[in-house]
Parts: sequence; C-alpha cells; structure tokens
Amino acid sequence: GAVVSQHPSRVICKSGTSVKIECRSLDFQATTMFWYRQFPKQSLMLMATSNEGSKATYEQGVEKDKFLINHASLTLSTLTVTSAHPEDSSFYICSASSGSEAFFGQGTRLTVV
Amino acid sequence: AQSVTQPDIHITVSEGASLELRCNYSYGATPYLFWYVQSPGQGLQLLLKYFSGDTLVQGIKGFEAEFKRSQSSFNLRKPSVHWSDAAEYFCAVGALQAAGNKLTFGGGTRVLVKP
Repeated sequence: GAVVSQHPSRVICKSGTSVKIECRSLDFQATTMFWYRQFPKQSLMLMATSNEGSKATYEQGVEKDKFLINHASLTLSTLTVTSAHPEDSSFYICSASSGSEAFFGQGTRLTVV
Repeated sequence: AQSVTQPDIHITVSEGASLELRCNYSYGATPYLFWYVQSPGQGLQLLLKYFSGDTLVQGIKGFEAEFKRSQSSFNLRKPSVHWSDAAEYFCAVGALQAAGNKLTFGGGTRVLVKP
C-alpha cells in the first residue's frame, strides 16, 4: 500500500513559538492532502484540505492565520502552528490522496508548555 | 452534509468471542465507506473499504463489513477477536465522486479485550 510519512512524531514546544509538521507521500503523488486534529479520546476533525500549488481550504472555525498550510509539491505538505498555545496541544494527522482513497500518516503529538 | 454515527463508545469483548461494531451514515449521494483502526498514539490503519459491488467486504486481520443501503449502515464484524484487536475503531464516509476523498469520521468505538 501507499506510504505516508509524517514528521515529527512528537514535539514539545514553548508557548509562543511556532512548530512545523511535515507530511510526505513516499511512493505516490498526492494531488490532495488533508490535515486532521484529534483531541484525546475523540474523533478526527478535518482542519483543512490542501491541493498542490494552491491555497488550502479551511474548515469552519479553523484559523487559517494560526494553522498555515503549504503544499508546495505533489509529495509534501506542511502544517505550521504559529504562536502555539497550550490549547493547541493535540494529535495532528495528515492524509494524502491521489484519487479516491486517502492514506494516513502516523500522526504528530504536539505538546505546548 | 454527511455524518457518521458510531452508537457504541466502548465495547468489551472476551478473547475468542465475536465482535460487531455499528456504524450508521448520512449522505446524499453514493458513499465511499471505510473502517480504520487506531492503536494508542498511532495513526490510522485502513481495515477495509466499500465503493461498489458486493455489499459484504473483506478486510485485513480477519475483519469484514456489510453495507446495507436500506439501513444506511456499514457494520464491522470479526468472528473471533484476539487480544491485539484492542484499539479504537473509526468508521468514515467520503464522497464517491470527489477527488482526494475528504473523509467524515464517526466518534469512534474503543474495543477492550478481556483474557
């Protein structure tokens, strides 16, 4: 099956700093990538959809200036959490798709202290 | 708008017993349906999917699911659970015609396996 690599798997940062999370499709070209957020013991909530070379589409309630998404190539999308605060602590998961099926990364546990 | 409901938040089952996880969806068009499994602190692994054709689909790890359009359901089953099946299970629905397949997830069902 297709492989999606997400890095880092865990990150701890200080409040007010920015954190970048990378999502790479290793063996296929992803025309679309998705970023999800998962709070403890809850389901995944879609944050945004990104298409290569264009601006991301954010879901309602997601601050686009806080969660910067870049999809510069068909194999890489990045999510930058800017000016992170403790309430941004969460599990972030990306998925990449080349068509009708999406493949998920292993997730990034972000802790803001 | 599409939605997915997993009525059971927790299920406890004895090792070797059968397991059924319920999933109901609401979607205006023909859906893509998925079941994923998530171990603690990990990403999602696809168990199986339904796009069209035979309504009983086989997946990995001995799981199967049946699509019932009349009931808007896509329940997951396993005849005999193993201790390693303890995890969180998510049902998801996506748009059949949409490229990229944005998914809507259910709330998840946590499965605990008793020895």
